[in-house]
Amino acid sequence: DAKTTQPPSMDCAEGRAANLPCNHSTISGNEYVYWYRQIHSQGPQYIIHGLKNNETNEMASLIITEDRKSSTLILPHATLRDTAVYYCIVSSFRGSQGNLIFGKGTKLSVKP
Amino acid sequence: AAGVIQSPRHLIKEKRETATLKCYPIPRHDTVYWYQQGPGQDPQFLISFYEKMQSDKGSIPDRFSAQQFSDYHSELNMSSLELGDSALYFCASSFGLNAGELFFGEGSRLTVL
Repeated sequence: DAKTTQPPSMDCAEGRAANLPCNHSTISGNEYVYWYRQIHSQGPQYIIHGLKNNETNEMASLIITEDRKSSTLILPHATLRDTAVYYCIVSSFRGSQGNLIFGKGTKLSVKP
Repeated sequence: AAGVIQSPRHLIKEKRETATLKCYPIPRHDTVYWYQQGPGQDPQFLISFYEKMQSDKGSIPDRFSAQQFSDYHSELNMSSLELGDSALYFCASSFGLNAGELFFGEGSRLTVL
């Protein structure tokens, strides 16, 4: 069974913030939320991850609800190069044990 | 900065042939993952290695095998190739203690005719 639910597609105007939602209502206490993206046929690219606190890096912000059942990835100023499939993944890594299971993802189209 | 290197980038094989894909992780990374992505599909986890030992196994067919060598590079061996094996094969690496942040290569595209 899929651990996450994402909308299949979203559009965003260039220069505006892109807010990508993800539901993970069955997340376990030791599971992190990871976001990756894949630009057409390239290798997936790590964006950000978090456990329960909101996180920000140079690429994006991750907002996780207090009950941890959903999260939102925010690209503050989307550009055409941000057009990609965005994957929300929940997984627990203990040291080196673990892997990422990709679901369906959201195809984000950034338009001029 | 050095990235994950995969070779060959493109490979064409006939049905029932054998293929080997190679992956060279980022220096000092000790964990390697293999993913398969069919046309229009999402990446599917195949197998992973940590410190030269298999650490996790996904939907890897019995016809496939993989290993990680002493220099941490990894090879994915695929035998009795089928048309359905045509896909992009991605390798990713990570440093064990920072697991979860995987760095992916550009992929090897296998076409089985």
